[in-house]
This record gives sequence, structure tokens and C-alpha cells, in this order.
Amino acid sequence: EVQLVESGGGSVQPGGSLRLSCAASGFIFSDYYMSWVRRAPGKGLEWVANINQDGGARFYVDSVKGRFTVSRDNAKNSLYLQMNSLRVEDTAVYYCARWDGKFYWGQGTLVTVSS
Amino acid sequence: DIQMTQSPSTLSASVGDRVTITCRASQSFSSWLAWYQEKPGKAPKPLIYKASSLESGVPSRFSGSGSGTEFTLTISSLQPDDFATYFCQQSDSYPWTFGQGTRVEIK
Repeated sequence: EVQLVESGGGSVQPGGSLRLSCAASGFIFSDYYMSWVRRAPGKGLEWVANINQDGGARFYVDSVKGRFTVSRDNAKNSLYLQMNSLRVEDTAVYYCARWDGKFYWGQGTLVTVSS
Repeated sequence: DIQMTQSPSTLSASVGDRVTITCRASQSFSSWLAWYQEKPGKAPKPLIYKASSLESGVPSRFSGSGSGTEFTLTISSLQPDDFATYFCQQSDSYPWTFGQGTRVEIK
């Protein structure tokens, strides 16, 4: 069974940093594109970032480029999202997702950016 | 960016009804369109991928169709477990984008 478990969310002040982690199990992690998707309170879903199987290709939504970095450790079956220079508008539930033409989602972790 | 506009935003239906949800894209693309079901407190569940391929384990009453700028999700006979929110998502071009969701509620 595919399992994706996010961690690392919490509260941070504007300008601060957080690192999200996603522990994957139930599939061969290194075979799949992985993604981060978020949902801000009361808003729709927003794709945030993708990383290919070996980490050599990364893609970001414009609003996080230069601030967020997606990475992975295939030996640890883990996906990461380093979030720097956080803004109030980054407040959201962040989901880790496996991609193979559709997303398989984790349960999400809440990030709150507030002064 | 490809904007995905779903309609209706809310749909009231009865068990046994045939239900159709539409996603319209601001630009044409071929088939990189997925549909998901979401229930409160649970992770979204994939239903359809590549516009019309049924995800393994998903009941055959769910089907997807379309290409270009119009895509549809059809539930042939609504069941009690199907009352949920449904949304589409395109992965044809970056940034990948989602529809705003359609809530299917009990009539």
C-alpha cells in the first residue's frame, strides 16, 4: 500500500524557514516523480514543485521560485521541501504526492506563517 | 498558465442519478487530465487519469472523457459513498493547475 507521511509543519514568522519531509513506503520510491501540492485556507489546490526520479530536474510554481527547494533522498525513501523567506501567503496544508499520471497524496502537514 | 474552470461548483443529486461534472481549460491540450475525489479529513483519491483511464480499484460507474478544452467526469449511478468533492487537474504544461472543485451533495 502506498503511504506518504509528511512532517515538519508548524508556525513560523514571516521571513522564517521550515523544512518539510515526506516518508514514502509501499512502492519503489526511486521509480517515481514526486511533488508538493498545497491548499491555503479557504482556497483551492496549488501545485508547488516537482522533482524527477534522480533529482536532476526540478520545477516550481512561480510564486515559490528562489525561495523553496525540493529535494529527495532515494536511499531514505524521502522527499523534502526547504522553504525559506516564508510569507503569510505561504500558509497552507502542504501535501506530498507521488506522480504517475495522477497524484497519490499524503495526509498533509500544516504550515502557518504569521507574526 | 492553463486555467481549469469546473462546473457546477455544487451539485445536488439523489442516489441512482447520473451525474456529470465538467472542467474547461483556458488552452487546449490532449489528455493529461486527472480527476480526484476528496472527503473531509482524508487525502484526495485519484479516480481517472489521462482523461479517460480508470484508476485501479475505482468502481466502473466512474468514467472520464474529453480532450481539447472540455473534459467531463461522469458517475453513471450515484451511490451513497459518492457524496464528496471532485476536482480536476491538468499536467499538460507547467504550472500544473487544478479546478476549484465540485461538491456533490444529497438532494
